[in-house]
Amino acid sequence: SSELTQDPAVSVALGQTVRITCQGNSLRTNYASWYQRKPGQAPVLVIYGKNVRPSGIPDRFSGSSSGSTASLTITGAQAEDESDYYCGSRDISGNHWLFGGGTKLTVL
Amino acid sequence: QLHLQESGPGLVKPSETLSLTCTVSGGSIGSSANYWAWIRQPPGKGPEWIGSISYTGGLYYNPSLKRRGTISVDTSKNQFSLRLTSVTAADTAVFYCATHQIYGFDVWGQGTTVTVSS
Repeated sequence: SSELTQDPAVSVALGQTVRITCQGNSLRTNYASWYQRKPGQAPVLVIYGKNVRPSGIPDRFSGSSSGSTASLTITGAQAEDESDYYCGSRDISGNHWLFGGGTKLTVL
Repeated sequence: QLHLQESGPGLVKPSETLSLTCTVSGGSIGSSANYWAWIRQPPGKGPEWIGSISYTGGLYYNPSLKRRGTISVDTSKNQFSLRLTSVTAADTAVFYCATHQIYGFDVWGQGTTVTVSS
């Protein structure tokens, strides 16, 4: 399969922990990268590799992976984390890229 | 810090060719080891990778485009471009340019909306 599957929507209470998942066969051999996209703004890379945060990304964001599932965890979600989140990875060939359909995170 | 900005027409007629340009500032396309990519996001759907090019010659396209897409680099202008031929309404999307390395897409443009309609 050349797809990455995400739950369309997830909600979390302010200050609580939320996990956003991404499933796909490509994740068995490639790490996921995670992107935050707010309306009208450019997507932002928040996690890549085994669990690497680019400069400027808060440490409440973390990543993990097991088999064909990758996860983005936000520990202590803040109001500003309300956004769409997308996972991405290289496909099995390593030369092409895949994206998930996105998860809309609501912070209650 | 790298900054990417897309430009091009917002409306394209069916069967015509869509042409977009990405202007890179804060760094040189020719001296970077990065790949330069185009990604699109149709309304209500997730992003779709279109293709990537590197200054050193690497060039990859999404097979789903069925060879309708061409990406090129103009180092003299520090730009890279996308041409997508024979467009249909299914090509309506927000188009992003981005740069990536092996681990993911680390800088994105703001995106430009392209509508295919007569």
